[in-house]
Amino acid sequence: NAGVTQTPKFQVLKTGQSMTLQCAQDMNHNSMYWYRQDPGMGLRLIYYSASEGTTDKGEVPNGYNVSRLNKREFSLRLESAAPSQTSVYFCASSGGANVLTFGAGSRLTVL
Amino acid sequence: GQQLNQSPQSMFIQEGEDVSMNCTSSSIFNTWLWYKQDPGEGPVLLIALYKAGELTSNGRLTAQFGITRKDSFLNISASIPSDVGIYFCAGQLSPGTYKYIFGTGTRLKVLA
Repeated sequence: NAGVTQTPKFQVLKTGQSMTLQCAQDMNHNSMYWYRQDPGMGLRLIYYSASEGTTDKGEVPNGYNVSRLNKREFSLRLESAAPSQTSVYFCASSGGANVLTFGAGSRLTVL
Repeated sequence: GQQLNQSPQSMFIQEGEDVSMNCTSSSIFNTWLWYKQDPGEGPVLLIALYKAGELTSNGRLTAQFGITRKDSFLNISASIPSDVGIYFCAGQLSPGTYKYIFGTGTRLKVLA
């Protein structure tokens, strides 16, 4: 009964380093999402994947890339991390009921 | 971009009191969702609303989809210490869209 699993939970990077956040869901959901959460700004959509094989930009896509590896997995990549990307990142998925199920989050600090 | 105005931003209440919070927008929404987030965790769904005027309960929580489809309300009755956390609303703009707009959250603190 795992739901949405994100790794890693915590990561510290130096400016310019790259990394990939991994996300997997076991609910057979078609759609998956990456959000970032910053103090006072709620959750903002970075990228989403409506179904396997498709990805689209959200509200704040600059500096990020995504890969929908298969129906279960959706990864978020930072090619050259910047301090402005310090945030908590949440992966989510949705199925037929149009509700989002979130992972526990990945806290990223860029020095 | 579109925004959801969520209020209040934060509130302190006494245990046993009722709590009300709301989200408003200039846009019309197809679905409203209410989430709770505990420290260090992801948001957890409390209630989903799918049509204007709908009133749905989940234990001590009751949420309503506003008649105009531009707002939604969440009430918590007889609050307890474990109600502490941040409550978010989220709206889906239209059927088939995969984009949800989130409010900035209401931080609830319950005084025992």
